[in-house]
Amino acid sequence: DAGVTQSPTHLIKTRGQHVTLRCSPISGHKSVSWYQQVLGQGPQFIFQYYEKEERGRGNFPDRFSARQFPNYSSELNVNALLLGDSALYLCASIRGGSYEQYFGPGTRLTVT
Amino acid sequence: SQKIEQNSEALNIQEGKTATLTCNYTNYSPAYLQWYRQDPGRGPVFLLLIRENEKEKRKERLKVTFDTTLKQSLFHITASQPADSATYLCALSYNFNKFYFGSGTKLNVKP
Repeated sequence: DAGVTQSPTHLIKTRGQHVTLRCSPISGHKSVSWYQQVLGQGPQFIFQYYEKEERGRGNFPDRFSARQFPNYSSELNVNALLLGDSALYLCASIRGGSYEQYFGPGTRLTVT
Repeated sequence: SQKIEQNSEALNIQEGKTATLTCNYTNYSPAYLQWYRQDPGRGPVFLLLIRENEKEKRKERLKVTFDTTLKQSLFHITASQPADSATYLCALSYNFNKFYFGSGTKLNVKP
């Protein structure tokens, strides 16, 4: 089976712009989580979605939003980008009943 | 808010020795504690999960302990190999709707 996939791999945006990041979970996984990882830090939890509903939300401003589609893929949207939003954005899917998170390779976002 | 502490200094050990990494947390104990491995530029890879009512979990050369009195988890790699060199992250969860990660400890295994 293919692992978690994310697109794009890299992205460069300007302050004030909007960005959409995409994630496809492992086949059969219904839950997706999003994380932001700044260099030298651990991943910071942003959102978790299960069956298209938000199940958890981290301490991030309202500029961050997400949604999950009927095929369980997910999008993370960030509005009004700030320089501090530059980070690796990770998506993880969770195997039902096991609580194991499987991470994708991430999207490297650079805001200039 | 929950604070998770992992040794920010890299751990350097000789091949064949046992590596022991520490994860300390504040506040109340989580329901689940996980350990991940992360290589540079890549996403974390799940290694082990331990529940609050479990003292120890093993998988091949890996062992995790969970002491809710000390609010600490220890992660051991026995017979370490240079290929084990990576950053190791611990993560806590109370209800699996939200996860808290530490900053990780970099392990260097020298041949």
